[in-house]
Amino acid sequence: SQQGEEDPQALSIQEGENATMNCSYKTSINNLQWYRQNSGRGLVHLILIRSNEREKHSGRLRVTLDTSKKSSSLLITASRAADTASYFCATDGKAAGNKLTFGGGTRVLVKP
Amino acid sequence: DTEVTQTPKHLVMGMTNKKSLKCEQHMGHRAMYWYKQKAKKPPELMFVYSYEKLSINESVPSRFSPECPNSSLLNLHLHALQPEDSALYLCASSQDQLAGRELFFGEGSRLTVL
Repeated sequence: SQQGEEDPQALSIQEGENATMNCSYKTSINNLQWYRQNSGRGLVHLILIRSNEREKHSGRLRVTLDTSKKSSSLLITASRAADTASYFCATDGKAAGNKLTFGGGTRVLVKP
Repeated sequence: DTEVTQTPKHLVMGMTNKKSLKCEQHMGHRAMYWYKQKAKKPPELMFVYSYEKLSINESVPSRFSPECPNSSLLNLHLHALQPEDSALYLCASSQDQLAGRELFFGEGSRLTVL
């Protein structure tokens, strides 16, 4: 079953702009991860944020977590055409038996 | 080596065929996973092996049969599939099955059932 809902479902931006996508989830979590998937390929891990953390950075990526609102956001700064992909949040928590459950994903198109 | 290798990349099979998908990793990971992904949908967990033992079966139909011959290999045996089973099948591995582990994914096997 799907734990996370992502918003927007699709996003189209110009190269150089920032891309922001959000993930909301229903039950309490231990960790939240973000993954990228290029069309028809495997998923690649981007970043993990633990439930006691509020913000993490990795290169051009910034992730926030608000456990009171059960939501997370992923910001990609200065986007590049190579950032065109689908982005999935994934959560684990006791309610799901610590299994990693993926959200619906946001499809990002970065136009050159 | 941080790769998970899946074969074949593409597979077309009839509903009466028997085929297998294979997955291999040499990262010393002790948890391996099969996910199914339909177009424009998130991956859905099918099976988890932990230390070569089946840990999780997400109520997957018996026409899908997983096998973990050793800590590096994971197979998914397919028999009497239905057209709705056509999907991208992703294998993944992680250090172990503890929460908060990063999953390393293969490129997937795209299955078409005629």
